[in-house]
Amino acid sequence: NAGVTQTPKFQVLKTGQSMTLQCAQDMNHNSMYWYRQDPGMGLRLIYYSASEGTTDKGEVPNGYNVSRLNKREFSLRLESAAPSQTSVYFCASSESGRTYEQYFGPGTRLTVT
Amino acid sequence: GQQVMQIPQYQHVQEGEDFTTYCNSSTTLSNIQWYKQRPGGHPVFLIQLVKSGEVKKQKRLTFQFGEAKKNSSLHITATQTTDVGTYFCAGGRSNDYKLSFGAGTTVTVRA
Repeated sequence: NAGVTQTPKFQVLKTGQSMTLQCAQDMNHNSMYWYRQDPGMGLRLIYYSASEGTTDKGEVPNGYNVSRLNKREFSLRLESAAPSQTSVYFCASSESGRTYEQYFGPGTRLTVT
Repeated sequence: GQQVMQIPQYQHVQEGEDFTTYCNSSTTLSNIQWYKQRPGGHPVFLIQLVKSGEVKKQKRLTFQFGEAKKNSSLHITATQTTDVGTYFCAGGRSNDYKLSFGAGTTVTVRA
């Protein structure tokens, strides 16, 4: 099992460009999450999907959109990238909500210039 | 802002010494999880605590959940270089589907 996979691993964007971060899990988990990690800020939840067909905002959703394409895949889109979105992005999945452990992907390191 | 606070933000430890990192919430938690992230890596689940006063051990790591379920601690004995990384706590609340992560404690070890 690959667990949680993310593409790309690294990306550099210019301000105003758009891109989609891809995430897939092969553990048949119901819930998936997108976090960003910035120095000193820990992991902040951007969006999550409790189950296939549902998505909800997390702590820092502004500037992002998500799509739960199917049970396996959960993508994060930046429509018009800004330097403030320079960060490391982690996708995670879990069997269900807060009482289940989360499995994280390897992360995408995004720089917006 | 973050609803779960962790202290200290940084912990510099001499190899072989013990240290403790703390996680505090202003509201009661239903459960708390701990994760470890090695430098350049991704967070990996360590343990979950759900009962008031619960204590769990994993080799040199001892995890505790407070009696009021508002705080937790991670104590590491005889620190080794393999303990280097950032330790996150993540709290759950009964009226919330998701977890709230603390900012983490980054541990460095002096050989």
